[in-house]
Amino acid sequence: QQQVKQSPQSLIVQKGGISIINCAYENTAFDYFPWYQQFPGKGPALLIAIRPDVSEKKEGRFTISFNKSAKQFSLHIMDSQPGDSATYFCAASIEDSSYKLIFGSGTRLLVRP
Amino acid sequence: DTAVSQTPKYLVTQMGNDKSIKCEQNLGHDTMYWYKQDSKKFLKIMFSYNNKELIINETVPNRFSPKSPDKAHLNLHINSLELGDSAVYFCASSLGTSAYNEQFFGPGTRLTVL
Repeated sequence: QQQVKQSPQSLIVQKGGISIINCAYENTAFDYFPWYQQFPGKGPALLIAIRPDVSEKKEGRFTISFNKSAKQFSLHIMDSQPGDSATYFCAASIEDSSYKLIFGSGTRLLVRP
Repeated sequence: DTAVSQTPKYLVTQMGNDKSIKCEQNLGHDTMYWYKQDSKKFLKIMFSYNNKELIINETVPNRFSPKSPDKAHLNLHINSLELGDSAVYFCASSLGTSAYNEQFFGPGTRLTVL
């Protein structure tokens, strides 16, 4: 119930293409869904986040699509660039006494020039 | 002007030894965390402190003992190191305990136990 399942494990996209990473969850109490980006040798950094009261959030080339009924959310990277090559983690949390983020298993994205 | 810093960046040690990792944040945050990232990149929370008080303690062996001398520091001491402790350990901080607060991660400490 506390898991967040992420796919694919790795993804190769040509420059200019669209990268899509999917996540699914079971716990309907989750009410915050951030995506973190991690470059090699660095710590994860918040990329974009969404709450379940909206179905989509866009920031530049990055878009989160959220499907509450299917308990799924996805990250779309438009016009993917080699500089986007990194590991992406979806996560979920509940605004209660837990205070913790449950991370997906990560997707290693490689954008070829 | 580093936000969350950790020392050391690399730590290589023998099984059975005791070691510590230090973390400091200069963001004025109240909440700090320790995460473990294994060889498959899986990221899992270990501990969380808010205003020097422990608020999250996942099922971590009691060989791991966090200590928060003040709000800006959260150290991790590991006794009797085992091969399975090899991982990258990340410290993070956030403004408060709200799940909506962004977590800022340090650069990580790569621990290798031989």
